[in-house]
Amino acid sequence: EPEVTQTPSHQVTQMGQEVILRCVPISNHLYFYWYRQILGQKVEFLVSFYNNEISEKSEIFDDQFSVERPDGSNFTLKIRSTKLEDSAMYFCASRSQGTAYEQYFGPGTRLTVT
Amino acid sequence: AQKVTQAQTEISVVEKEDVTLDCVYETRDTTYYLFWYKQPPSGELVFLIRRNSFDEQNEISGRYSWNFQKSTSSFNFTITASQVVDSAVYFCALSGLSGGYNKLIFGAGTRLAVHP
Repeated sequence: EPEVTQTPSHQVTQMGQEVILRCVPISNHLYFYWYRQILGQKVEFLVSFYNNEISEKSEIFDDQFSVERPDGSNFTLKIRSTKLEDSAMYFCASRSQGTAYEQYFGPGTRLTVT
Repeated sequence: AQKVTQAQTEISVVEKEDVTLDCVYETRDTTYYLFWYKQPPSGELVFLIRRNSFDEQNEISGRYSWNFQKSTSSFNFTITASQVVDSAVYFCALSGLSGGYNKLIFGAGTRLAVHP
């Protein structure tokens, strides 16, 4: 069964460093998303991406964040200068077009900023 | 504005008990989708069910059942004869069609602990 994959599973970085979180969505999916979950809290929407551009972003997704689909398979989230409060689990999700509106989530990348 | 409320923060039951997880939502969209996801201790998010706003039929899948009532804006989830493997955090989520990109708005989650 096709699945969303994410790498790395755990990333530790120092405050102020740049990180890139990588996702490979399900191959025939057209809509891509990033969410984050601070430990013990709810899952929060960051950004949606369709047709090679951002379609919607939340107030969390400030200038420090960017997304890219550098090729036909990868979807990346970059945090330019990490802060302690960026420590969270980051989930990538994808869905197909049409009536199948469920989003399928990757296993997540746990980002720890020290 | 869209909002999902899961008032039950934690529920603890003994195996084989039935348990209902509550979900109340708010939206101005006339067409929307409701979801339940399971987050086991391993951390991934597992899709359980999707309902659209035009389909109020209850659904049963094995030990799981869902009760969607538009009149009370609720989409409750019942596990019958709970098992230890059901222990997880369960999230209810809402997605509207405004904008067409279907971001998910999650509730705060309900942590279910099933004890042997």
